[in-house]
Amino acid sequence: AQSVTQLDSQVPVFEEAPVELRCNYSSSVSVYLFWYVQYPNQGLQLLLKYLSGSTLVKGINGFEAEFNKSQTSFHLRKPSVHISDTAEYFCAVSESTGYALNFGKGTSLLVTP
Amino acid sequence: NAGVTQTPKFQVLKTGQSMTLQCAQDMNHNSMYWYRQDPGMGLRLIYYSASEGTTDKGEVPNGYNVSRLNKREFSLRLESAAPSQTSVYFCASSEALDRSVYYGYTFGSGTRLTVV
Repeated sequence: AQSVTQLDSQVPVFEEAPVELRCNYSSSVSVYLFWYVQYPNQGLQLLLKYLSGSTLVKGINGFEAEFNKSQTSFHLRKPSVHISDTAEYFCAVSESTGYALNFGKGTSLLVTP
Repeated sequence: NAGVTQTPKFQVLKTGQSMTLQCAQDMNHNSMYWYRQDPGMGLRLIYYSASEGTTDKGEVPNGYNVSRLNKREFSLRLESAAPSQTSVYFCASSEALDRSVYYGYTFGSGTRLTVV
């Protein structure tokens, strides 16, 4: 069965600094990978997804992620964060179509002035 | 366009009480899901319904039952609430289970449940 590990539970960063949120997955087959964001007191929203093709995926709000099959990673990056990026970020994986998403434990991104 | 609507938003139960969490979507989605979110645990799948008339267990189904009432509605029932069920519950929907990876999930805003 597939699983994801988010390597950092909390990431504090200053405004306008770059950030990387790390995600590793384990699966013996091809996977589909996702990043979701949860703003305080809200549900989750899809940031970006990797299904196939180019390993660099661009999402909303200036975020991007790179799929690295050899390292089984799907790290999320943003070159310059804003205060409004403060949120919980979840990495998720699905081994194939027809299966519900399996979420990681989340990374809390805290952006301060 | 409301998306996914969950009711209630907050609830406090006493141990042993029962309650039903309601979820409705207006996007004509086929598949619906219930997750619970706990600090440090992320989201864990409780039950899902790939289509109207079908339900399947997820990772943590014990202590819960579900009903896919129709295509729009998917309810989660706690028959005898326990403190371990204190959590935030999220309902989500997708166009179809086998196409959810292409279009993603739409989440409700959650129900915060406390069992004392």
